[in-house]
Amino acid sequence: EVQLVQSGAEVKKPGESLKISCKGSGYSFTSYWIGWVRQMPGKGLEWMGIIYPGDSDTRYSPSFQGQVTISADKSITTAYLQWSSLKASDTAMYYCARPSGIAAPGWYFDLWGRGTLVTVSS
Amino acid sequence: QSVLTQPPSVSAAPGQKVTISCSGSSSNIGNNYISWYQQLPGTAPKLLIYDNNKRPSGISDRFSGSKSGTSATLGITGLQTGDEADYYCGTWDSSLSAVVFGVGTKLTVL
Repeated sequence: EVQLVQSGAEVKKPGESLKISCKGSGYSFTSYWIGWVRQMPGKGLEWMGIIYPGDSDTRYSPSFQGQVTISADKSITTAYLQWSSLKASDTAMYYCARPSGIAAPGWYFDLWGRGTLVTVSS
Repeated sequence: QSVLTQPPSVSAAPGQKVTISCSGSSSNIGNNYISWYQQLPGTAPKLLIYDNNKRPSGISDRFSGSKSGTSATLGITGLQTGDEADYYCGTWDSSLSAVVFGVGTKLTVL
């Protein structure tokens, strides 16, 4: 079965670091980009960035550049999203999603993980 | 604040038809493909429409998509209570070099 399996919910304090994961299976992990999407409580979808596990080419949304780091380990078919110093405003659901489409202008996300809820509170 | 504008909410009775609009600019909708996503309460988004008007396998033909200039429309016919969800449009923005999503539209089936 083609799927993206995300790591479990996290509760952290402001200033702490965090790395959440997204494991792809059932398809050629190195042949597809994997992106991350934030959804703050009661809000809409925000694209954070994307990585191509085949060569680790990574692109960030201008809104998230410098705020998070996206990485991947193709040996274990897993992508990561990490923060070095969390803020309360990072509280959100984070989805990984795999796009299809030939290249960026034609991307559409046809495979989604179930999401990882990150709560940052003192 | 998204670069794609959607109405915050729409509503219609069961069995009726509803349309959801998504308005952008030449840097996004005007020159790139649009996709639509359905997010049922408490679940991950699901792809409904891609490449402006194509349906993935398994998506009902009650869902349709169209694009004209810098606007796009999602249509849903034969509304069912199970269609109550948030709907998002998405596309590539060539100026931002980023995927952008609309703010989302909440569909209520009265």
